[in-house]
Amino acid sequence: SQTIHQWPATLVQPVGSPLSLECTVEGTSNPNLYWYRQAAGRGLQLLFYSVGIGQISSEVPQNLSASRPQDRQFILSSKKLLLSDSGFYLCAWSVGYNEQFFGPGTRLTVL
Amino acid sequence: DQQVKQNSPSLSVQEGRISILNCDYTNSMFDYFLWYKKYPAEGPTFLISISSIKDKNEDGRFTVFLNKSAKHLSLHIVPSQPGDSAVYFCAAKGRGNNNDMRFGAGTRLTVKP
Repeated sequence: SQTIHQWPATLVQPVGSPLSLECTVEGTSNPNLYWYRQAAGRGLQLLFYSVGIGQISSEVPQNLSASRPQDRQFILSSKKLLLSDSGFYLCAWSVGYNEQFFGPGTRLTVL
Repeated sequence: DQQVKQNSPSLSVQEGRISILNCDYTNSMFDYFLWYKKYPAEGPTFLISISSIKDKNEDGRFTVFLNKSAKHLSLHIVPSQPGDSAVYFCAAKGRGNNNDMRFGAGTRLTVKP
């Protein structure tokens, strides 16, 4: 069966510090991978998606970036965090024309 | 732009009664609709979906209805249970494209014992 991991589960970072969130998927090959953010009281906003190694599409301009160094690994990064980057970050995967499956999420607080 | 809207931020129902969660969309190219359930500090879990070729899909206590002409879908939970208390997200996507799934803002359902 397929499993998706995200870490860390929670993170508190000062403004201006770097960020690296990691997501890995097990039990499937060549998945589509996604990064979403849920800000307080809001829905899920798609940040990045990837259909293959090294391929990244960005949905919204921001100070975040994503990378896919391996087929089942997706990384969300920032060189300098802003207060507005606080939120709940979710990684998801899908294969073909099917629903997306989400990881447990990372709660990021930028102080 | 809010292509998927859930206008009720919260809903409270009594255990055993019906819960009806509503969702509206604006993009006529959407043809696949999903409901996700989310508990605090967890990722959303897929609940039920419906294709635009259908107007109803049922799975146990959960039924999703789709009204394409009104661009409206709803999730019915019967009977509601306290364990159903969670935030429910409506999502919609276009045919054959996994990268345009749009989510509503969510409705927090509270089922009272």
